[in-house]
Formats: sequence, C-alpha cells, structure tokens
Amino acid sequence: RKEVEQDPGPFNVPEGATVAFNCTYSNSASQSFFWYRQDCRKEPKLLMSVYSSGNEDGRFTAQLNRASQYISLLIRDSKLSDSATYLCVVKEEHGGSQGNLIFGKGTKLSVKP
Amino acid sequence: DAGVIQSPRHEVTEMGQEVTLRCKPISGHDYLFWYRQTMMRGLELLIYFNNNVPIDDSGMPEDRFSAKMPNASFSTLKIQPSEPRDSAVYFCASSKTGVWTNTEAFFGQGTRLTVV
Repeated sequence: RKEVEQDPGPFNVPEGATVAFNCTYSNSASQSFFWYRQDCRKEPKLLMSVYSSGNEDGRFTAQLNRASQYISLLIRDSKLSDSATYLCVVKEEHGGSQGNLIFGKGTKLSVKP
Repeated sequence: DAGVIQSPRHEVTEMGQEVTLRCKPISGHDYLFWYRQTMMRGLELLIYFNNNVPIDDSGMPEDRFSAKMPNASFSTLKIQPSEPRDSAVYFCASSKTGVWTNTEAFFGQGTRLTVV
C-alpha cells in the first residue's frame, strides 16, 4: 500500500517562531509533491508545490529529498493566521494509478499570541 | 470559473436511506476525485476518474458505495443503504493532466453527511 506519513502534532508555537514539518512517502516512483493547507471545517487548498531543487514562497520553504523519500515544510516568523492543518501530498505519475493524489493525514499547527 | 461545486453542503439522513452526493468539476479538468474525511482516518481517496472513466476504486469501502461520471461536467457518489459509520465530510476535487504545468487539485467545499 502506498503511504504518505506525517507527524499529526499538534505543534503549539508562539508567534514569530520557526516551525518545520516533515513527511515521508513510500512510492519511490512518485514525481510531484505538494503541501496543502486545511482550515477548520474548510476544504484543503494548495499552499505550494515542492520542486526538486527546493523552493521558497515568502515565509514558507519546501524541500524535497528523493533519496530519503522525504519532504519538508519550514514556516518562518509564524503568524496567528498560520494556524491550520498542513497536508503533505504525493502525486503518482506512472503506472495504473497515474494522476492519483495521495494525502498524508496532516500536521496540525496552532500559533499562540 | 466558480470552482468545484458540490451539493448538498449538508445532509442528514436516517440509517438505511439512499444518499446521493453531487459534484461539478472545474471546466477543462480531466481528473475527478472523491475523498472522505474523518477525524480518525484523515482524508481517504474513495475513487478517481480520468476522462470520465474510473481508474481506481479500491478505496470504495464496500458495495454500498457507487460512483458515476456520465459526462465531463458531472459526477455522483451514492451510498445505499447508508449507515451511521458513513458519517463524514465527502470532498470532490478536480485537476488536469500535465507534467510541467501546475496540476494541483482543487477541492469543492464538501458535503457534511450525518447518518442517524
């Protein structure tokens, strides 16, 4: 069974803190990776794609390590509005399940004043 | 585009009744996914379609669940008969094929199903 594993948390951090989430995936043939954000009682929404060379979007940095099958998300200078659940997503690009999106169970972040 | 549209937003039904959830994907998207989310199990893929053809339905819990996609702009997920353990939020999502283009999935607002 193809899996995406995340630490469920919760991560409780003060405003301004730096927090990092990790994710591992089991299917070495996976090609596309994403971080989604889900607010309470809302649908998941794309936060950022994860590129092989790593990428940054403002306070958010995503890294990919294909050899270790590991993805990370770093949030710097965390804000109250960053409180949400962060979902690691792997997209299968080959074989019979091409196009399938596999979600981790999510890591809950709570940023406190 | 209005995004992925799901209906109803909320559904409360009695055990044993038939429930039909509906989804309209984003125009031009060729993948459609049905997910179920609970606190215990997180977001689980039930089934997904590519160009209206079911590709993987291994996540469908049992024969009580069925899904159809008669055309590119409409899909249904049916539960018959419904049971209390089916209570969850059901999300529909769509995406488009691509390797170098942004192919993320866009989610509908979900249907919150309660079976009593």
